[in-house]
Amino acid sequence: EVQLVESGGGLVQPGGSLRLSCAASGFTFSSYWMSWVRQAPGKGLEWVANIKQDGSEKYYVDSVKGRFTISRDNAKNSLYLQMNSLRAEDTAVYYCARDKPDGWYFDYWGQGTLVTVSS
Amino acid sequence: QLVLTQSPSASASLGASVKLTCTLSSGHSSYAIAWHQQQPEKGPRYLMKLNSDGSHSKGDGIPDRFSGSSSGAERYLTISSLQSEDEADYYCQTWGTGIPVFGGGTKLTVL
Repeated sequence: EVQLVESGGGLVQPGGSLRLSCAASGFTFSSYWMSWVRQAPGKGLEWVANIKQDGSEKYYVDSVKGRFTISRDNAKNSLYLQMNSLRAEDTAVYYCARDKPDGWYFDYWGQGTLVTVSS
Repeated sequence: QLVLTQSPSASASLGASVKLTCTLSSGHSSYAIAWHQQQPEKGPRYLMKLNSDGSHSKGDGIPDRFSGSSSGAERYLTISSLQSEDEADYYCQTWGTGIPVFGGGTKLTVL
């Protein structure tokens, strides 16, 4: 059974940093692109970033470029999102998702971890 | 610009059928989309990939009650024999140019 379990969310002050983790199981993690998708309170879904199987390619939504870094450790079946210079508008539930091989869409999602940026 | 448009809300009675619509912006009518379901307080769940010709491939464990169809720039999700657990937000998503894009979502109420 495919499982994606996020952790690392919490309350952080504006300008602060946080590192999210996603533990993957039930599939060959190193064979898939992986993504982070977020959802602000009461709002819709927004793709944030994704990373190629070997970490050699990474893509970001414009609003987080230069502040967020996606990475992975295939030996640990884990995906990460390092978030720096956090802003109030980054407040959201962050989901880890597995990318489908035949398109840039997502066939498995985690349960999410809440990041709140507030003073 | 690639935009997906969904009605904010829909409702239908228990046991009935409902058809949700996702409209691709002008010039993008050939794009495939994906449908995702998000039940209250849960992470999203992938339902299916839907191509412009109406062919679709569903995710693991998705019941036959869920089906997809297409017409021009419109992509549809039909849910038959509605059950209480179908009350959820439904998002369409595409990826044709640049980054993945989501529609605003449709909140389905089962009466």
